[in-house]
Amino acid sequence: SYELTQPSSVSVSPGQTASITCSGHKLGDKYVSWYQQRPGQSPVLVIYQDRKRPSGIPERFSGSNSGHTATLTISGAQAMDEADYYCQAWDSSTVVFGGGTKLTVL
Amino acid sequence: QVQLVQSGAEVKKPGASVKASCKASGYSFISYGISWVRQAPGQGLEWMGWISAYNVNTNYAQKLQGRVTMTTDTSTSTAYMEMRSLTSDDTAVYYCVRVDNGEVMDVWGQGTTVTVS
Repeated sequence: SYELTQPSSVSVSPGQTASITCSGHKLGDKYVSWYQQRPGQSPVLVIYQDRKRPSGIPERFSGSNSGHTATLTISGAQAMDEADYYCQAWDSSTVVFGGGTKLTVL
Repeated sequence: QVQLVQSGAEVKKPGASVKASCKASGYSFISYGISWVRQAPGQGLEWMGWISAYNVNTNYAQKLQGRVTMTTDTSTSTAYMEMRSLTSDDTAVYYCVRVDNGEVMDVWGQGTTVTVS
């Protein structure tokens, strides 16, 4: 079965850039979405189709996808961005999630 | 605004069944699908399956085949997820998620907590 691999944790200082990677076989051939989940809340879509932002998502969130790796970039990270982030792709009509990355802003 | 409102928390005994609901509002229900995703305590997201609200086609995660059934009621714009033969491993928050034609899962419900004990 298809697998997506994320680092378990990433740390960033406020105002700096955070990058969260998601790796999978030929992932660049698929569309990737990213979700933010704050403690005790439902996930929120922050990036879809590799690089598109839903309305209401700040411009500091951006995405890319090529080869075997997709990346979520948060430019100028803020304290409110501290959360778990999950990548997601479809494979053979099934949804696959990465294991999640805990982003710490300190 | 687009909203998915889920049913309340459930406590079930091992071997029992649970049926969670997800009422949609603010959009054309039959123009989208619904996925169900669960999250065990302290764990990541696990996709359970998908149902088309248009033609009720379904696709379930292989590990849950035979134990889960997803249905819709277009008259009330409500999706349902039923799971049978519950064990403690099924203790989780269960989310419904809207899925568009481009397979984007864009709107999440608030979650239904199911405790098996």
